[in-house]
Amino acid sequence: QVQLQESGPGLVKPSETLSLTCTVSGGSVSSESYYWSWIRQPPGKGLEWIAFINHSGGTNYNLSLKSRLTMSLDTSKSQFSLKLTSVTSADTAVYYCARGTFSSGFFYLDYWGQGTLVTVSS
Amino acid sequence: DIQMTQSPSSLSASIGDRVSITCRASQSITNFLNWYQQKPGKAPNLLIYAASSLQSGVPSRFSGSGSGTDFTLTISSLQPEDFATYYCQQSYSTPRTFGPGTRVDTK
Repeated sequence: QVQLQESGPGLVKPSETLSLTCTVSGGSVSSESYYWSWIRQPPGKGLEWIAFINHSGGTNYNLSLKSRLTMSLDTSKSQFSLKLTSVTSADTAVYYCARGTFSSGFFYLDYWGQGTLVTVSS
Repeated sequence: DIQMTQSPSSLSASIGDRVSITCRASQSITNFLNWYQQKPGKAPNLLIYAASSLQSGVPSRFSGSGSGTDFTLTISSLQPEDFATYYCQQSYSTPRTFGPGTRVDTK
């Protein structure tokens, strides 16, 4: 059974960098079928797709965040990471990592971490 | 970006009711449409992908239909564990946008 677990600071100051890591167990981040994804959800609001990274480090970012965003993959640790720079209160959200699967051309998020709340505040 | 809308934004229903939620895309996405269920404090859970394909382990009372711009998620007989918020997501292009959600609560 694939499991994902987010980790990182729960509080970040405005203008600083938000850094999160997702650890994957029960599956390989090196598989060509999967795209390792980040999604966020501001308190009481809907879901926003942030980005994904594939097995070879290729990335696809939400253009609204692209200038502040970096994703990376560490296959030796079975982890992938998110860095979001110059954060503001608008970046306060529950951040989820998820496994994106491509099957017969269709993409869907089939395994999710439990989510971690990141609050941007001084 | 492709914009996704859902209707209604919320609905009240009783156990055993047939419930339908609509999702509309701002342009054709053929059948690149997923549905997720989210319960309070929990991560979303994939129900349907490719508009009508049931994810493994999801009860058969859930079904999806539609193509192009208009899609429907149907719960044939609402169960107590189905009270939740439901989101559609297009997977046709980046960014993989979600709808705003439909909350299903008890009447």
